[in-house]
Amino acid sequence: GAVVSQHPSRVICKSGTSVKIECRSLDFQATTMFWYRQFPKQSLMLMATSNEGSKATYEQGVEKDKFLINHASLTLSTLTVTSAHPEDSSFYICSARDHGTGSSYEQYFGPGTRLTVT
Amino acid sequence: RKEVEQDPGPFNVPEGATVAFNCTYSNSASQSFFWYRQDCRKEPKLLMSVYSSGNEDGRFTAQLNRASQYISLLIRDSKLSDSATYLCVVMQYNFNKFYFGSGTKLNVKP
Repeated sequence: GAVVSQHPSRVICKSGTSVKIECRSLDFQATTMFWYRQFPKQSLMLMATSNEGSKATYEQGVEKDKFLINHASLTLSTLTVTSAHPEDSSFYICSARDHGTGSSYEQYFGPGTRLTVT
Repeated sequence: RKEVEQDPGPFNVPEGATVAFNCTYSNSASQSFFWYRQDCRKEPKLLMSVYSSGNEDGRFTAQLNRASQYISLLIRDSKLSDSATYLCVVMQYNFNKFYFGSGTKLNVKP
Protein backbone atom coordinates (compact mmCIF):
# COMPACT_ATOMS: atom_id res chain seq x y z
CA GLY A 1 0.00 0.00 0.00
CA ALA A 2 0.87 3.66 -0.18
CA VAL A 3 3.27 5.02 2.42
CA VAL A 4 2.93 8.25 4.35
CA SER A 5 5.63 9.49 6.67
CA GLN A 6 5.50 12.08 9.43
CA HIS A 7 8.28 13.94 11.14
CA PRO A 8 8.99 14.25 13.98
CA SER A 9 7.41 11.23 15.62
CA ARG A 10 7.61 12.80 19.04
CA VAL A 11 8.26 16.33 20.19
CA ILE A 12 8.33 18.06 23.55
CA CYS A 13 8.24 21.83 23.55
CA LYS A 14 7.76 24.65 25.97
CA SER A 15 4.59 26.65 26.21
CA GLY A 16 4.59 29.59 23.81
CA THR A 17 6.87 28.06 21.20
CA SER A 18 5.89 26.85 17.73
CA VAL A 19 6.21 23.35 16.37
CA LYS A 20 6.20 22.24 12.74
CA ILE A 21 5.07 18.76 11.73
CA GLU A 22 5.75 17.40 8.24
CA CYS A 23 3.64 14.90 6.37
CA ARG A 24 4.98 13.28 3.22
CA SER A 25 3.52 10.85 0.72
CA LEU A 26 6.50 8.72 -0.24
CA ASP A 27 5.41 6.78 -3.30
CA PHE A 28 2.40 8.61 -4.62
CA GLN A 29 1.11 12.09 -5.23
CA ALA A 30 -1.47 13.47 -2.88
CA THR A 31 -3.44 16.51 -3.94
CA THR A 32 -5.36 16.25 -0.70
CA MET A 33 -4.02 15.59 2.75
CA PHE A 34 -5.88 15.61 6.04
CA TRP A 35 -4.78 16.59 9.50
CA TYR A 36 -6.32 14.91 12.53
CA ARG A 37 -5.90 15.19 16.25
CA GLN A 38 -6.53 12.39 18.69
CA PHE A 39 -6.78 12.79 22.44
CA PRO A 40 -6.38 9.73 24.70
CA LYS A 41 -9.21 7.21 24.39
CA GLN A 42 -10.98 9.37 21.82
CA SER A 43 -11.38 9.04 18.10
CA LEU A 44 -9.64 11.01 15.43
CA MET A 45 -11.00 14.48 14.96
CA LEU A 46 -10.50 16.09 11.58
CA MET A 47 -8.81 19.47 11.98
CA ALA A 48 -8.38 20.54 8.40
CA THR A 49 -8.16 19.43 4.81
CA SER A 50 -4.97 20.46 3.07
CA ASN A 51 -5.17 21.07 -0.66
CA GLU A 52 -2.06 21.37 -2.79
CA GLY A 53 -1.61 24.89 -4.07
CA SER A 54 -4.55 26.40 -2.22
CA LYS A 55 -5.64 27.36 1.25
CA ALA A 56 -6.54 24.67 3.72
CA THR A 57 -10.12 24.14 4.77
CA TYR A 58 -10.51 24.13 8.54
CA GLU A 59 -13.18 22.38 10.55
CA GLN A 60 -15.42 24.37 12.80
CA GLY A 61 -13.71 25.28 16.05
CA VAL A 62 -10.18 24.90 14.71
CA GLU A 63 -8.25 28.18 14.70
CA LYS A 64 -6.54 28.64 11.37
CA ASP A 65 -4.12 31.20 12.79
CA LYS A 66 -3.02 28.78 15.45
CA PHE A 67 -2.72 25.72 13.25
CA LEU A 68 -0.98 26.85 10.09
CA ILE A 69 -1.13 24.45 7.19
CA ASN A 70 0.97 24.61 4.07
CA HIS A 71 0.66 22.15 1.19
CA ALA A 72 3.31 23.42 -1.19
CA SER A 73 3.87 20.27 -3.22
CA LEU A 74 2.07 17.09 -4.20
CA THR A 75 4.02 15.11 -1.62
CA LEU A 76 4.37 17.43 1.36
CA SER A 77 2.03 19.14 3.78
CA THR A 78 3.10 20.84 6.99
CA LEU A 79 1.19 21.71 10.14
CA THR A 80 2.62 24.37 12.41
CA VAL A 81 1.22 24.66 15.91
CA THR A 82 1.89 28.26 16.86
CA SER A 83 2.22 29.51 20.43
CA ALA A 84 1.63 26.02 21.75
CA HIS A 85 -0.08 25.52 25.09
CA PRO A 86 -0.36 22.41 27.27
CA GLU A 87 -3.92 21.82 26.02
CA ASP A 88 -2.46 21.39 22.52
CA SER A 89 -0.68 18.26 23.71
CA SER A 90 -2.09 15.47 21.58
CA PHE A 91 -1.42 12.89 18.91
CA TYR A 92 -1.44 14.59 15.50
CA ILE A 93 -1.93 12.33 12.51
CA CYS A 94 -1.93 13.18 8.84
CA SER A 95 -3.40 11.17 6.03
CA ALA A 96 -3.35 11.33 2.27
CA ARG A 97 -5.49 10.09 -0.53
CA ASP A 98 -3.86 8.41 -3.48
CA HIS A 99 -5.70 9.83 -6.44
CA GLY A 100 -3.74 7.71 -8.86
CA THR A 101 -5.29 4.37 -8.00
CA GLY A 102 -8.70 2.83 -8.42
CA SER A 103 -9.24 2.99 -4.67
CA SER A 104 -8.95 6.75 -4.69
CA TYR A 105 -11.12 7.24 -1.65
CA GLU A 106 -8.99 5.24 0.72
CA GLN A 107 -6.82 7.19 3.10
CA TYR A 108 -3.32 6.26 4.14
CA PHE A 109 -2.16 7.49 7.51
CA GLY A 110 1.17 8.70 8.69
CA PRO A 111 2.57 7.20 11.90
CA GLY A 112 1.57 10.25 13.90
CA THR A 113 3.37 12.87 15.93
CA ARG A 114 3.00 12.93 19.68
CA LEU A 115 3.22 16.51 20.87
CA THR A 116 3.77 17.33 24.52
CA VAL A 117 3.71 20.97 25.57
CA THR A 118 5.17 21.68 28.99
CA ARG B 1 -25.92 13.73 16.90
CA LYS B 2 -22.59 12.21 15.91
CA GLU B 3 -22.00 11.38 12.27
CA VAL B 4 -20.78 7.91 13.16
CA GLU B 5 -21.52 5.95 16.30
CA GLN B 6 -19.93 2.81 17.61
CA ASP B 7 -20.17 0.77 20.79
CA PRO B 8 -16.86 1.50 22.53
CA GLY B 9 -16.71 -1.97 24.09
CA PRO B 10 -14.47 -3.50 25.19
CA PHE B 11 -15.41 -6.81 23.69
CA ASN B 12 -13.52 -9.50 25.60
CA VAL B 13 -13.54 -12.79 23.70
CA PRO B 14 -11.56 -16.01 23.83
CA GLU B 15 -9.32 -17.10 20.99
CA GLY B 16 -11.28 -18.79 18.26
CA ALA B 17 -14.50 -16.93 18.98
CA THR B 18 -16.57 -15.09 16.42
CA VAL B 19 -17.25 -11.45 17.20
CA ALA B 20 -19.27 -8.79 15.41
CA PHE B 21 -19.27 -5.01 15.61
CA ASN B 22 -21.86 -2.62 14.30
CA CYS B 23 -21.57 1.01 13.41
CA THR B 24 -24.37 3.43 12.56
CA TYR B 25 -24.12 6.58 10.50
CA SER B 26 -26.48 9.52 10.47
CA ASN B 27 -26.15 10.96 6.97
CA SER B 28 -27.93 8.99 4.28
CA ALA B 29 -25.80 10.76 1.67
CA SER B 30 -22.71 8.90 2.90
CA GLN B 31 -21.16 7.02 0.05
CA SER B 32 -18.03 5.17 1.06
CA PHE B 33 -17.44 3.06 4.11
CA PHE B 34 -14.36 1.57 5.66
CA TRP B 35 -13.13 -0.33 8.67
CA TYR B 36 -9.77 0.69 10.07
CA ARG B 37 -7.78 -0.96 12.80
CA GLN B 38 -5.81 1.07 15.33
CA ASP B 39 -3.33 -0.40 17.75
CA CYS B 40 -2.51 1.44 20.95
CA ARG B 41 -0.60 4.67 20.29
CA LYS B 42 -0.30 3.89 16.59
CA GLU B 43 -1.88 5.29 13.46
CA PRO B 44 -5.02 3.71 11.98
CA LYS B 45 -4.50 1.15 9.24
CA LEU B 46 -7.06 0.26 6.62
CA LEU B 47 -8.60 -3.13 7.29
CA MET B 48 -11.12 -3.22 4.50
CA SER B 49 -13.48 -1.16 2.44
CA VAL B 50 -17.17 -1.99 2.72
CA TYR B 51 -19.07 -2.57 -0.49
CA SER B 52 -22.81 -2.53 -1.00
CA SER B 53 -22.85 -6.23 -1.79
CA GLY B 54 -20.79 -7.06 1.28
CA ASN B 55 -17.26 -8.35 1.10
CA GLU B 56 -15.03 -10.87 2.76
CA ASP B 57 -11.29 -10.95 3.31
CA GLY B 58 -10.15 -14.11 5.02
CA ARG B 59 -11.62 -14.18 8.51
CA PHE B 60 -13.14 -10.73 8.13
CA THR B 61 -16.55 -10.00 6.62
CA ALA B 62 -18.02 -6.53 6.19
CA GLN B 63 -21.65 -5.74 5.44
CA LEU B 64 -23.47 -2.53 4.57
CA ASN B 65 -27.15 -1.91 5.23
CA ARG B 66 -28.10 1.37 3.60
CA ALA B 67 -31.76 1.17 4.58
CA SER B 68 -30.89 1.02 8.27
CA GLN B 69 -27.71 3.04 7.87
CA TYR B 70 -25.30 0.72 9.52
CA ILE B 71 -22.22 -1.28 8.66
CA SER B 72 -20.91 -4.34 10.38
CA LEU B 73 -17.66 -6.20 10.77
CA LEU B 74 -17.54 -9.89 11.58
CA ILE B 75 -14.34 -11.55 12.72
CA ARG B 76 -14.23 -15.33 12.73
CA ASP B 77 -11.74 -17.52 14.56
CA SER B 78 -10.35 -14.60 16.57
CA LYS B 79 -6.60 -14.46 17.09
CA LEU B 80 -4.69 -12.78 19.88
CA SER B 81 -3.27 -10.45 17.25
CA ASP B 82 -6.77 -9.21 16.44
CA SER B 83 -6.77 -7.28 19.73
CA ALA B 84 -7.05 -3.62 18.74
CA THR B 85 -9.53 -0.81 18.35
CA TYR B 86 -11.67 -1.02 15.23
CA LEU B 87 -12.72 2.28 13.71
CA CYS B 88 -15.72 2.71 11.44
CA VAL B 89 -15.19 5.40 8.81
CA VAL B 90 -17.78 7.01 6.59
CA MET B 91 -17.10 9.30 3.69
CA GLN B 92 -19.23 11.85 1.89
CA TYR B 93 -17.86 12.64 -1.55
CA ASN B 94 -19.36 16.07 -1.90
CA PHE B 95 -17.72 17.35 1.26
CA ASN B 96 -14.54 15.37 0.72
CA LYS B 97 -14.69 14.40 4.38
CA PHE B 98 -14.11 11.28 6.34
CA TYR B 99 -15.95 10.79 9.60
CA PHE B 100 -14.55 8.46 12.20
CA GLY B 101 -16.40 6.55 14.85
CA SER B 102 -14.92 6.54 18.32
CA GLY B 103 -13.84 2.94 17.86
CA THR B 104 -14.69 -0.44 19.35
CA LYS B 105 -12.05 -2.06 21.46
CA LEU B 106 -11.51 -5.79 21.07
CA ASN B 107 -9.52 -7.91 23.51
CA VAL B 108 -8.88 -11.48 22.43
CA LYS B 109 -7.74 -13.59 25.33
CA PRO B 110 -5.95 -16.96 25.37
